[in-house]
Amino acid sequence: SQKIEQNSEALNIQEGKTATLTCNYTNYSPAYLQWYRQDPGRGPVFLLLIRENEKEKRKERLKVTFDTTLKQSLFHITASQPADSATYLCALMQGSSNTGKLIFGQGTTLQVKP
Amino acid sequence: DAGITQSPRHKVTETGTPVTLRCHQTENHRYMYWYRQDPGHGLRLIHYSYGVKDTDKGEVSDGYSVSRSKTEDFLLTLESATSSQTSVYFCAIPGNNYGYTFGSGTRLTVV
Repeated sequence: SQKIEQNSEALNIQEGKTATLTCNYTNYSPAYLQWYRQDPGRGPVFLLLIRENEKEKRKERLKVTFDTTLKQSLFHITASQPADSATYLCALMQGSSNTGKLIFGQGTTLQVKP
Repeated sequence: DAGITQSPRHKVTETGTPVTLRCHQTENHRYMYWYRQDPGHGLRLIHYSYGVKDTDKGEVSDGYSVSRSKTEDFLLTLESATSSQTSVYFCAIPGNNYGYTFGSGTRLTVV
């Protein structure tokens, strides 16, 4: 079965630096890979989606890459701020429609220090 | 979050008692999902629904049942709660841009 691993449980960086989070998956390449942000006591919030035929996607200070050869996605936050501190979840969609089932990684908790 | 609400937000129950969690959406979406979130495991799919009275099992469905009698409501029932079902439960619906919209969650403690 498909598995997702996010390579670190916690990441601490200094304000202004770029945070890089890693997501690796096994087996087949998904049609879509997604990233979510989760704050304590809240549900995950959708950030970005990247398709298997896309190498890179950007949204403001966020950048996601998708390497189907390495079976890996990288999530970058540039010019990080303390407000970026949260847990970030990687998820892949089983199926090619927007109603497919999502499989999640365990998350990486990012702490940005002022 | 806008469009999807869960109740209750917190619940403590005793082992062996039945518990029902409710998810309510105002987006009129056919699909609804129940996940549980535990440390070290991330979010895991329990059950999902693809229409009124149409439901199917997810990865961790043992000990859970669901019902969907109306488009807007998706109920998750623990027939006889066990300590291993202590968790945070999230409901979700497909949102725009292929992302999911999640509720704020229900923190369930089984003592």
